[in-house]
Amino acid sequence: DIQMTQSPSSLSVSVGDRVTITCQASHDLKKHLNWYQHKPGRAPKVLIFDASDLEPGVPSRFSGSGSGTHFTLTISSLQPEDIATYYCQQYCPQYEQCDSQPPFSFGPGTRLDIK
Amino acid sequence: EVLLVESGGDLVKPGGSLRVSCEASGFMFRKHTMAWVRQAPGKGLEWVASISSAGLSADYADSVKGRFTVTRDNDKSSVHLQMNSLTVEDTAIYYCARRFLYDFGHFDSWGQGTRVVVSS
Repeated sequence: DIQMTQSPSSLSVSVGDRVTITCQASHDLKKHLNWYQHKPGRAPKVLIFDASDLEPGVPSRFSGSGSGTHFTLTISSLQPEDIATYYCQQYCPQYEQCDSQPPFSFGPGTRLDIK
Repeated sequence: EVLLVESGGDLVKPGGSLRVSCEASGFMFRKHTMAWVRQAPGKGLEWVASISSAGLSADYADSVKGRFTVTRDNDKSSVHLQMNSLTVEDTAIYYCARRFLYDFGHFDSWGQGTRVVVSS
């Protein structure tokens, strides 16, 4: 199975900070990596798909980069409403053979809280 | 507006069974793979199961394989998760999620979740 790790696991931040979260995979994901924001009591929300594409409606302070096994999510200037837990998620495209991995899996998450 | 509404969450004893459901509206349901994702108390998101748009194939996380079954009714725009042989580790909020179209692999719409508690 693919192992997904995220760092840091938690981070204390201030409004206006530039925040970078990393996601590492044990296998080459190419660009098949998405990022989600999850707030308590709310549904998760996709921010970035296919490593670097911004989901429509998501503020441009969010960006993603990377390919292969190393990916990053960056918040250029943290806003109060960005306090949440962030997850990366890998997927296997339906046109590929993915015998050694589940079709979807999430990283363990990175929790942001206010300093 | 895309809407996913889960129902059926309950308190159930270990070894018991439960069926949770998700009713969809506001989009062409039969075109989308649908999934169940859960979050146990104090834990992260875990993909549980997914079913193809026509319902011809389904995949499961190892943690639920052989115990859970995902089905769908495209005429009623609904997807269901039958959970058998439940254990305390299955206690979680269960979210229904829509996979975006074609070969994209992100879940672009989610329900608010339904709570399942497995306890004696």
